[in-house]
Amino acid sequence: DAGVIQSPRHEVTEMGQEVTLRCKPISGHNSLFWYRQTMMRGLELLIYFNNNVPIDDSGMPEDRFSAKMPNASFSTLKIQPSEPRDSAVYFCASNYQGLLNTGELFFGEGSRLTVL
Amino acid sequence: QKEVEQDPGPLSVPEGAIVSLNCTYSNSAFQYFMWYRQYSRKGPELLMYTYSSGNKEDGRFTAQVDKSSKYISLFIRDSQPSDSATYLCAMSWAGKSTFGDGTTLTVKP
Repeated sequence: DAGVIQSPRHEVTEMGQEVTLRCKPISGHNSLFWYRQTMMRGLELLIYFNNNVPIDDSGMPEDRFSAKMPNASFSTLKIQPSEPRDSAVYFCASNYQGLLNTGELFFGEGSRLTVL
Repeated sequence: QKEVEQDPGPLSVPEGAIVSLNCTYSNSAFQYFMWYRQYSRKGPELLMYTYSSGNKEDGRFTAQVDKSSKYISLFIRDSQPSDSATYLCAMSWAGKSTFGDGTTLTVKP
């Protein structure tokens, strides 16, 4: 079975450019999460969706960040304009949330972003 | 103060050693307690999860939760070089997981 698929795996861009990261969750999962991982701050939750609806975006750093989930099989995280401090590994994760929400997450391989 | 604090490491042990990884937390609402393993340049993958206080064993791995002390541990017996990775504790409630910063473990042959 395919896991969570993220693209691109690596992105190098210049400050001020728009960056779009993409994620395809595991089929059948109804929740999708975007995390950011840095050495300084660890793994931080940016936003999560349940049934394609944003539930909690309190972790989104600022208005330069936006996320969408137009359907159950696709989500994007956009940064516009990008800044060097946005350099990090961005992970997408998904799970199925029903009566029992263990919180177990299935992660993609991550998108490594470098903003020069 | 962070909701989840993890012993920072790094840890370096000889093959066959017993490893202890630890986290504390402050939010009493956390219901599920998990350990993830992350290899270099890969996404985290779930090792174990527990719900209640006590021990849960899976092969060489034992997860321990003490809700009264807000303290969780992961023990690895007979550690192997293939166990070398970063270990992240995570705690969840209301569908969201909060992670510790991770402990990097190196097991030397």
